Amino acid sequence: NAGVTQTPKFQVLKTGQSMTLQCAQDMNHNSMYWYRQDPGMGLRLIYYSASEGTTDKGEVPNGYNVSRLNKREFSLRLESAAPSQTSVYFCASSLAPGTGPGGYTFGSGTRLTVV
Amino acid sequence: AQSVTQLGSHVSVSEGALVLLRCNYSSSVPPYLFWYVQYPNQGLQLLLKYTSAATLVKGINGFEAEFKKSETSFHLTKPSAHMSDAAEYFCAVTATGNQFYFGTGTSLTVIP
Repeated sequence: NAGVTQTPKFQVLKTGQSMTLQCAQDMNHNSMYWYRQDPGMGLRLIYYSASEGTTDKGEVPNGYNVSRLNKREFSLRLESAAPSQTSVYFCASSLAPGTGPGGYTFGSGTRLTVV
Repeated sequence: AQSVTQLGSHVSVSEGALVLLRCNYSSSVPPYLFWYVQYPNQGLQLLLKYTSAATLVKGINGFEAEFKKSETSFHLTKPSAHMSDAAEYFCAVTATGNQFYFGTGTSLTVIP
């Protein structure tokens, strides 16, 4: 099915461990995004990639890195996980970022717990 | 800079009653506004969007929203609530199409 696929769906990390969250879309979208969702705070943008080969910081980039591997894939890396990074992470994509914004297509999320 | 404020983190309505979820925005440039719905353990789905065409926007599942510049509002309504409407609803604003700013969400409960 066309859409945004995130892996893994669930993950438990110990403080200090590293991991990479994977995201892939098959809709030929140009732009991809990583958000985190925390209770009472809505969604906050971590990083985005407006087009292949570019990445930019969002509201809450500290503690994260990203890689736009190709047009389809956009990964999020936690180098040294902290309990404050316990959250639900959503990847999203959109066709055209600046020439008539449309909506996002979201993945189903990765639930990350850092202990 | 842009931001949205959703008034009421929890709203309860009876089945068949009017649904009204409130969203006020702040934007220094003409905004694009969106409503998304999130069902448990799922990602967000687009309900409707305002992109400077008609001020009354119709979306999926019978929802609609009206852009009121004078009130800086974009409230979401549905004439008759259905049990399947129970979910969390997010209002979002963007100026560039890259950085979206989401509200904190409103959880809708539908009482049978």
